[in-house]
Amino acid sequence: DAKTTQPTSMDCAEGRAANLPCNHSTISGNEYVYWYRQIHSQGPQYIIHGLKNNETNEMASLIITEDRKSSTLILPHATLRDTAVYYCIVRTYNTDKLIFGTGTRLQVFP
Amino acid sequence: DTAVSQTPKYLVTQMGNDKSIKCEQNLGHDTMYWYKQDSKKFLKIMFSYNNKELIINETVPNRFSPKSPDKAHLNLHINSLELGDSAVYFCASSQGKSSYNSPLHFGNGTRLTVT
Repeated sequence: DAKTTQPTSMDCAEGRAANLPCNHSTISGNEYVYWYRQIHSQGPQYIIHGLKNNETNEMASLIITEDRKSSTLILPHATLRDTAVYYCIVRTYNTDKLIFGTGTRLQVFP
Repeated sequence: DTAVSQTPKYLVTQMGNDKSIKCEQNLGHDTMYWYKQDSKKFLKIMFSYNNKELIINETVPNRFSPKSPDKAHLNLHINSLELGDSAVYFCASSQGKSSYNSPLHFGNGTRLTVT
């Protein structure tokens, strides 16, 4: 079962920052938070992951709260091509599984 | 230079047939996976293999049999296809075993339609 809670959908204006929240209140100390997205029916695309510290790469930033019970994915300048379903996933530490929930459908509008 | 490639992209077949989906990764990863995405868009893990060894089998019917000839390939054979097998099947790979700090990289899927 998915261990995360995300809003069903969000809108964002093109060029603005998209902030996607995720709750993972039962996360264990050594479990990672992963973010993926799925554009239309393509394969899930890896975005970023983190354990405790905030992380940034060329696609996005990941902000994890100090108690690790929630996180936010930030797309700094959303484009129309960022329209997708975004999945926040807590990766189980003793298996290889990624368990996907229902995700957030982000719609970027002009 | 696709990292994880699946063939075919589309597969339409009749109930009762046997079909295979092939997956190859050129990332040098040790672990490969099969995921199924049904019509409600839920993505569920089916199998994972590490260096040709079965690691995860998520109570998938015996009609589904993964085959890993080497660590770069993980094929999925499905016997006696049923209507409920219609879905998009995604292959993925990652580095290492139980390496939860290593992202999975997914292929673009095989859309299976059983009529």
